[in-house]
Amino acid sequence: QQQVKQSPQSLIVQKGGIPIINCAYENTAFDYFPWYQQFPGKGPALLIAIRPDVSEKKEGRFTISFNKSAKQFSLHIMDSQPGDSATYFCAASRRGGGSEKLVFGKGTKLTVNP
Amino acid sequence: DVKVTQSSRYLVKRTGEKVFLECVQDMDHENMFWYRQDPGLGLRLIYFSYDVKMKEKGDIPEGYSVSREKKERFSLILESASTNQTSMYLCASSTRWGQYFGPGTRLTVT
Repeated sequence: QQQVKQSPQSLIVQKGGIPIINCAYENTAFDYFPWYQQFPGKGPALLIAIRPDVSEKKEGRFTISFNKSAKQFSLHIMDSQPGDSATYFCAASRRGGGSEKLVFGKGTKLTVNP
Repeated sequence: DVKVTQSSRYLVKRTGEKVFLECVQDMDHENMFWYRQDPGLGLRLIYFSYDVKMKEKGDIPEGYSVSREKKERFSLILESASTNQTSMYLCASSTRWGQYFGPGTRLTVT
């Protein structure tokens, strides 16, 4: 019940495409859903996060869609660029925020070809 | 900007050695975490701390211990390093807005 399942494991798109990464969770007590972006040799960096009281959140070219009834959330990257090539992790936590333990998905390696 | 630093980027140790990994954050965060990252397994929580001298086990604490004597510093200790502890180790600190990671320490145990 603590798992977050992420798919796909890897994704290749052309520049300008819209990669979509999906995550699913079981624990209905989760109430904070962040996405992290990790470049090779670096630590993960917080990209965007959503709480279950909204169905969508946009920050620049990155959008989280959230479906509470299906217990799923996804990351969309509009007009993807080669510089977006990285590994993306979804995560979830309960009781209100990043100070709590995060449960991570296993990651998606995104490659954006020029 | 939040800054989380880790004492070494790369470390090579021998089996049986005691290994210390240090993490320092400069934003007065109360919560700090240690993860290990392995290909195909994502990030797995080893230990976390909500306050000075306070620690809680994460999902994979076996073979590890931690120390938090000061708020800004959280140390991970491998009591007797083994080859299966070869991994990338990531430290994080957090606010209510999210967890912030250091650059990681790639540890190789030979």
